[in-house]
Formats: sequence, structure tokens, C-alpha cells
Amino acid sequence: AQKITQTQPGMFVQEKEAVTLDCTYDTSDQSYGLFWYKQPSSGEMIFLIYQGSYDEQNATEGRYSLNFQKARKSANLVISASQLGDSAMYFCAMRSYGGISGGYNKLIFGAGTRLAVHP
Amino acid sequence: EADIYQTPRYLVIGTGKKITLECSQTMGHDKMYWYQQDPGMELHLIHYSYGVNSTEKGDLSSESTVSRIRTEHFPLTLESARPSHTSQYLCASTLSGTDYNEQFFGPGTRLTVL
Repeated sequence: AQKITQTQPGMFVQEKEAVTLDCTYDTSDQSYGLFWYKQPSSGEMIFLIYQGSYDEQNATEGRYSLNFQKARKSANLVISASQLGDSAMYFCAMRSYGGISGGYNKLIFGAGTRLAVHP
Repeated sequence: EADIYQTPRYLVIGTGKKITLECSQTMGHDKMYWYQQDPGMELHLIHYSYGVNSTEKGDLSSESTVSRIRTEHFPLTLESARPSHTSQYLCASTLSGTDYNEQFFGPGTRLTVL
């Protein structure tokens, strides 16, 4: 079975400091993708960063970087120089393939981590 | 910015009413999805579609139904709303064959059934 685990229900960070949000995954697939989404209180899901299972380098997007450790099956999100606007829920997700005809793009989500940035 | 729209954004309705949550995307995406999310909790896939006239149930059992008559439109219907249906419903879409297969999400519909 495929599963995403986010063990931190809530995290606090001081403005301008870096924070790491943990994500571990379980899959028997050789090819998969890992995503991080941000969900502000308004409810929409905002894509932040992607890491493919065959990517050798850690993904980076501005202040976001993904610490990908394939052997440990972890894909932690690092946010550098936190801002007040970073306060939100953060979801780790994994792409898998399945279904009758195969190849449909299904995302499995973790339970999320609520990040609060303090001034 | 994603061009995927959901209406209404908020809906408060009484038990037993029939409701349809609308979802449209203008990106020409072939795959579309509906997720259900309780406040502060993870998203659960309830329906998905590969393309026109294709619909499948997701991982979480749902009393809702969906249709995909046009590529851009993927409405979700509840024939008889109940308080247990109170939740947020998120629609998403993606294009097959793209590098990331990133799912673009709509703003969501927050449904409250009294």
C-alpha cells in the first residue's frame, strides 16, 4: 500500500528563520513523484515544489527546497527565511499509477502540517 | 496561475436538497478529480475522470455522483444532502504527459448541510 506520513501536526517558527517540514513515504513503485502543496486558510491548494524519484539533485524553487533522501524514503520541505505569509497548512503528496487502464495520475496526500510563523 | 474554477465557493443548504457543485477548467486538461477534505485534515479522492465519458470512484466512498460530458466541465451532484456531507470539496485537473503531472486545484467549495 502507498502512504504518506507527516508526523508534525503543527510547527512554529520565528520570522526570517528556516523551518523543515517532515514527510516520509511508502511505495513499491520504482517511478514516482513527490509534491508539496500549501493550503492557506482560504482553502485553495498551491503547488510549491516537485521531486521525481529519478532526480539526482534536490529540487529548489525560490525559498523552498526539498531534501530528498530516497533510501530513507523521506522528502522533507525546507522553507528558508520564513515570512508571515507562510503561515498555512502544508501537504506532502505522492503520485502513483494505478487503475484499470493504468497511468492515471493519482495523488496520495499526507495529513498535513500546520505552520505558524511568528513575528 | 491555474485556470480552474469552482462554484459556489460557499453553500449552506438544508437536509434532503439536491445540489450540484460546478468545476470547470480552461487548460484543456484531460484528467480531472474531486477531493473531499474535512477542516485541517488530509484530502481524499472521491471521483476522477480520464476524459470525456470516463468517470471512476476514488479511494473514499462517496454518495455523490459525477459526469464528464465535456472536457472542461466536471460537476459533482448530491441527490439528497445530509449533515454528514458537510466538508470542503476540491476539484483538480492535470494534463497527461506533462513532466510533473502537476495537479492544478480550484479554490474549493465549502459545503454545510444543516
